[in-house]
Amino acid sequence: NAGVMQNPRHLVRRRGQEARLRCSPMKGHSHVYWYRQLPEEGLKFMVYLQKENIIDESGMPKERFSAEFPKEGPSILRIQQVVRGDSAAYFCASSSRGQGMTGTYEQYFGPGTRLTVT
Amino acid sequence: GEDVEQSLFLSVREGDSSVINCTYTDSSSTYLYWYKQEPGAGLQLLTYIFSNMDMKQDQRLTVLLNKKDKHLSLRIADTQTGDSAIYFCAESGSSASKIIFGSGTRLSIRP
Repeated sequence: NAGVMQNPRHLVRRRGQEARLRCSPMKGHSHVYWYRQLPEEGLKFMVYLQKENIIDESGMPKERFSAEFPKEGPSILRIQQVVRGDSAAYFCASSSRGQGMTGTYEQYFGPGTRLTVT
Repeated sequence: GEDVEQSLFLSVREGDSSVINCTYTDSSSTYLYWYKQEPGAGLQLLTYIFSNMDMKQDQRLTVLLNKKDKHLSLRIADTQTGDSAIYFCAESGSSASKIIFGSGTRLSIRP
């Protein structure tokens, strides 16, 4: 049973380009979360998605950032017109439980995509 | 707002116990977690505890929760070189949809 997959593992973009980060959740998981980790810091929540729906985007910057989780295919985190401050590790997590549901709960993390903006 | 704080560094001798401490501010926290991150890797969930528990033990790991003081600790018994990593304390509410992380404690092991 493969874990959470993220690709690419490393991504280099020049300022002004677009970055697309992909996340395939664990099999059977329909809830996806994106976090950002700046150097020497902890992870900061960005967005929580369920299939075709954004549930909580309270951590997403208001501009240039968007996320989707289509019915088919991976979740995508898209950063338009990247700037140096976007350089970070972006982690995706998935779970089989979501908001309002009971029972044990775990978010399983992928290996991350390290974005470098030059 | 929600905040989780932990010390940045801890150094212990191999074979000793490591105790990593954490404080949090959100009194409505329901789940409290400890994650481990090795260099260049993602996060591995080590253990978690519900807010209505005081203690949880899992092999070499012991988690203690003082809900009154909003203090969480992770004790690793018989610390080994493979335990070198960054340990993140984290919390979430009852919906468990958003996890709030501390900045991480870097644990180093001395021979």
